[in-house]
Amino acid sequence: AQTVTQSQPEMSVQEAETVTLSCTYDTSESNYYLFWYKQPPSRQMILVIRQEAYKQQNATENRFSVNFQKAAKSFSLKISDSQLGDTAMYFCAFTLFGNEKLTFGTGTRLTIIP
Amino acid sequence: DADVTQTPRNRITKTGKRIMLECSQTKGHDRMYWYRQDPGLGLRLIYYSFDVKDINKGEISDGYSVSRQAQAKFSLSLESAIPNQTALYFCATSPAAAGQETQYFGPGTRLLVL
Repeated sequence: AQTVTQSQPEMSVQEAETVTLSCTYDTSESNYYLFWYKQPPSRQMILVIRQEAYKQQNATENRFSVNFQKAAKSFSLKISDSQLGDTAMYFCAFTLFGNEKLTFGTGTRLTIIP
Repeated sequence: DADVTQTPRNRITKTGKRIMLECSQTKGHDRMYWYRQDPGLGLRLIYYSFDVKDINKGEISDGYSVSRQAQAKFSLSLESAIPNQTALYFCATSPAAAGQETQYFGPGTRLLVL
């Protein structure tokens, strides 16, 4: 079975600073996908970024980027120039090729301080 | 994502009552999912459906049932609600095509069972 671990229940950072959220996962498979989802107070689950395991290049989306270390089974999210609107719960998630389900971590609550 | 809608958004019910949560999507996706979110536990899969004639149990299906009325509609029922089913429920959709494993979430339904 696949597992996803987020070891930082809460984090806070000053506005405009950079913050990195950690995620590790466990799988014996080689074809899979990793995601970061954001859940603001509105509770909507919003896709932030996605990484295909077969790609060595780290995914980026504007101020969001990942550090994907396949051998270490690590998938961290870096938020640059953090903004107040980045305040949210962030979930790391994993799915195998074929997408039967997403396996989620327990989340990191990020607060951006003005 | 406005393309995935859930009704109701909030619901209070009593122990023993039967309730239905509904999900509709205009994305044209074949695959639909129901997840449950509890504090500190992330999201867990209840049921998923890869097409109208395909229904599969997830990791926590006991006490729930589903119906896939059409490609665009996927309903979750609690036959006899109990207080530990109090949670936030999400519907999600994804395309069937390989390499398109991203899931898109509805706005969630907050359910309180008294």
